[in-house]
Amino acid sequence: DAKTTQPPSMDCAEGRAANLPCNHSTISGNEYVYWYRQIHSQGPQYIIHGLKNNETNEMASLIITEDRKSSTLILPHATLRDTAVYYCIVRALFTSGTYKYIFGTGTRLKVLA
Amino acid sequence: GAGVSQSPSNKVTEKGKDVELRCDPISGHTALYWYRQSLGQGLEFLIYFQGNSAPDKSGLPSDRFSAERTGGSVSTLTIQRTQQEDSAVYLCASSLGSEQYFGPGTRLTVT
Repeated sequence: DAKTTQPPSMDCAEGRAANLPCNHSTISGNEYVYWYRQIHSQGPQYIIHGLKNNETNEMASLIITEDRKSSTLILPHATLRDTAVYYCIVRALFTSGTYKYIFGTGTRLKVLA
Repeated sequence: GAGVSQSPSNKVTEKGKDVELRCDPISGHTALYWYRQSLGQGLEFLIYFQGNSAPDKSGLPSDRFSAERTGGSVSTLTIQRTQQEDSAVYLCASSLGSEQYFGPGTRLTVT
């Protein structure tokens, strides 16, 4: 199973872009990268996912390196409400054809006023 | 619409007792996951149900843990002879496609 490593914490000024890195050097070719975030005392919330192309949605952008060994989640204009723990996840495919989501340790992002 | 719900929201039990945790997934979602989150830690995968297929139990930490999903909908996670190290937040998620929708979790405290 691929594993992810993330910095334990980051600070970002309100209104600035938050760039959260993730290493997944053992990822396999058919494994997706997902990002979720968890605000205190709530269940994780889906943000974005991708395989090899960069992705963008209303919440964030996901930049995946060409070798797929790392990725960066970008929150273009961070707000105080973006303060949360951000998890980089690899979705692994079992031989049975089912999926397992392998959560990393997460990055605690603190957006500063 | 209604999201994933879990009950109870909090459960305090004595060491050695059995507990049952319930998850009501989003209607129509075929996949259901259970995770455990210990204090200050990331999510640990426990078990995964997909439609009528046999569940993937590879994440269950011991044979004291078991789970059922009845009628492809509601799921119950059972922990027998609870130990203090079982204290954690137990999260349930359901999905129809690639995105998982998480419930608020059940905080289990074993005294």
